[in-house]
Amino acid sequence: AQKITQTQPGMFVQEKEAVTLDCTYDTSDPSYGLFWYKQPSSGEMIFLIYQGSYDQQNATEGRYSLNFQKARKSANLVISASQLGDSAMYFCAMRETSTGNQFYFGTGTSLTVIP
Amino acid sequence: DAMVIQNPRYQVTQFGKPVTLSCSQTLNHNVMYWYQQKSSQAPKLLFHYYDKDFNNEADTPDNFQSRRPNTSFCFLDIRSPGLGDAAMYLCATRTSGRRSSYNEQFFGPGTRLTVL
Repeated sequence: AQKITQTQPGMFVQEKEAVTLDCTYDTSDPSYGLFWYKQPSSGEMIFLIYQGSYDQQNATEGRYSLNFQKARKSANLVISASQLGDSAMYFCAMRETSTGNQFYFGTGTSLTVIP
Repeated sequence: DAMVIQNPRYQVTQFGKPVTLSCSQTLNHNVMYWYQQKSSQAPKLLFHYYDKDFNNEADTPDNFQSRRPNTSFCFLDIRSPGLGDAAMYLCATRTSGRRSSYNEQFFGPGTRLTVL
């Protein structure tokens, strides 16, 4: 079974609008972390935001927020006020405390911001 | 200011000719990872080091080897590159504890490998 599922291969959003990128995960470990990374066309993976399984509040980092619904095992990334520079691939990833150092990545969502 | 450095950024090699990719870090992180990423796909973990402990993924081909001579450096050796090994190779580091789910990975800029 896939540990991380991203069902949106591509998304379009108008500049200055908000967009939600979906991510669902599968784990039986009560302790885990969820991460979102941005990968521009240059190739570098840029860390955006983290949510821990025991965190009571949804994570926020500037224009990025994570809509964490633990019972549904979803961790959607919300980007507010989209900018042209947000056009990139976005990967959701998970690390389980029980499996040590391994990160599981989803297949990614390609976001295009339209002027 | 560079934290995770990969050299070279672009590497062209010939079919079957050994190639070495390098990664260095200034973060003093004890965990280092090598990923292979093909176009429009998720990064695929090849192996990682926890300090000097080497952890190979079960499906990593024997053609891929790695060395970590010290905390700062890690190398990826491809002994006989095939056309299917053309990809972006990403190095990442992380500090640990094992019991913590936090501590994100810091990625280098990647090396794009072309096999002719």
